Amino acid sequence: EPEVTQTPSHQVTQMGQEVILRCVPISNHLYFYWYRQILGQKVEFLVSFYNNEISEKSEIFDDQFSVERPDGSNFTLKIRSTKLEDSAMYFCASSDGTGGPGNTIYFGEGSWLTVV
Amino acid sequence: AQRVTQPEKLLSVFKGAPVELKCNYSYSGSPELFWYVQYSRQRLQLLLRHISRESIKGFTADLNKGETSFHLKKPFAQEEDSAMYYCALSVCMRFGAGTRLTVKP
Repeated sequence: EPEVTQTPSHQVTQMGQEVILRCVPISNHLYFYWYRQILGQKVEFLVSFYNNEISEKSEIFDDQFSVERPDGSNFTLKIRSTKLEDSAMYFCASSDGTGGPGNTIYFGEGSWLTVV
Repeated sequence: AQRVTQPEKLLSVFKGAPVELKCNYSYSGSPELFWYVQYSRQRLQLLLRHISRESIKGFTADLNKGETSFHLKKPFAQEEDSAMYYCALSVCMRFGAGTRLTVKP
């Protein structure tokens, strides 16, 4: 069964550094998402991406964050000048966007970011 | 505004007992609701969605528009059901805070 894959699985970075989290969505999917889960807290929506542009973003997704689909397969989340509070599990997800209501979103295993 | 509320952070039941995980939502349009499950050290997985009205792993959930609820139920809990359960609303998946279910032997 096709899966969403994410790299790295775990990254430790120093405060102020830039981080790029990578995702390979399921190949025929058209919608891509990033979510964040701070340890012990709920899963939070960051951004959705469709047709090579951001379709929706949350208040968390400020100028520190950016997303890109640099080629036909990868979908990246860049965090500039990381802060301690950026430490979290970041989940990539994708959906095929067909079938109207109730599109299923498939999640990757997550990238655990630790900012020190 | 879209909002999902899961009032119980923790829920503990004995094996074989019925279980109900509560979910209430706030949405002005026609809701699309899902339950996702996250087993220990695994990714989030879709458990079920209201439009398909299916039963997965013995779990069911009925959308009650009058009460704006989508509670997840299982008549006889199993130890392997122990996990984190998230109710989610709409295409962009506004998640509830999650309920950690523990099924004791």
